[in-house]
Amino acid sequence: NAGVTQTPKFQVLKTGQSMTLQCAQDMNHNSMYWYRQDPGMGLRLIYYSASEGTTDKGEVPNGYNVSRLNKREFSLRLESAAPSQTSVYFCASKSYRDRGLVWGDSPLHFGNGTRLTVT
Amino acid sequence: AQTVTQSQPEMSVQEAETVTLSCTYDTSESDYYLFWYKQPPSRQMILVIRQEAYKQQNATENRFSVNFQKAAKSFSLKISDSQLGDAAMYFCAYRNTGTASKLTFGTGTRLQVTL
Repeated sequence: NAGVTQTPKFQVLKTGQSMTLQCAQDMNHNSMYWYRQDPGMGLRLIYYSASEGTTDKGEVPNGYNVSRLNKREFSLRLESAAPSQTSVYFCASKSYRDRGLVWGDSPLHFGNGTRLTVT
Repeated sequence: AQTVTQSQPEMSVQEAETVTLSCTYDTSESDYYLFWYKQPPSRQMILVIRQEAYKQQNATENRFSVNFQKAAKSFSLKISDSQLGDAAMYFCAYRNTGTASKLTFGTGTRLQVTL
């Protein structure tokens, strides 16, 4: 059981380049999330998808787009990368119910992160 | 909007001793969830413990326990018998109830464990 898989693990971009971060989960989770982690700022939500076919902005959506391709996959795209987007990006997922927990009480399952550097 | 505050950027504890990490939050909701996540150097986010706001009893998980003070909106993590493997960043997080609710994180506390 792989859980949440993010690719790539590391990436270096030049300003203005584009790229897509991939995320896939095999736990049949309904909701998926993209966070970025910066020193001293914790994790901040970029976009999320409550269920297949829906996406919504989080706290810091500017400069990003997302696609919920199907129930398993949720990608994050940087159309024109900027140095301010240098960060570690985490994908996460959860369901309405998790093993051993009551209905609605489900912790997030995280991927291992992507370290992105924009020069 | 909900906010989560961790006022201790770094903490240090000796092996086998006890340490408490602080967390406060702000919300107008009466029912919600609180979490502590651990992030070791591997970057993996690991759930340490969770607390349902409607439960008065403090959650415990082996050497980890919380002191949940709902009126004060305080949610501290106590680590007993600290081990070298406990060294990591610790994040406090808040989530409303609801199937698609979002997790709001604090800025983290880096815990060092010394011999």
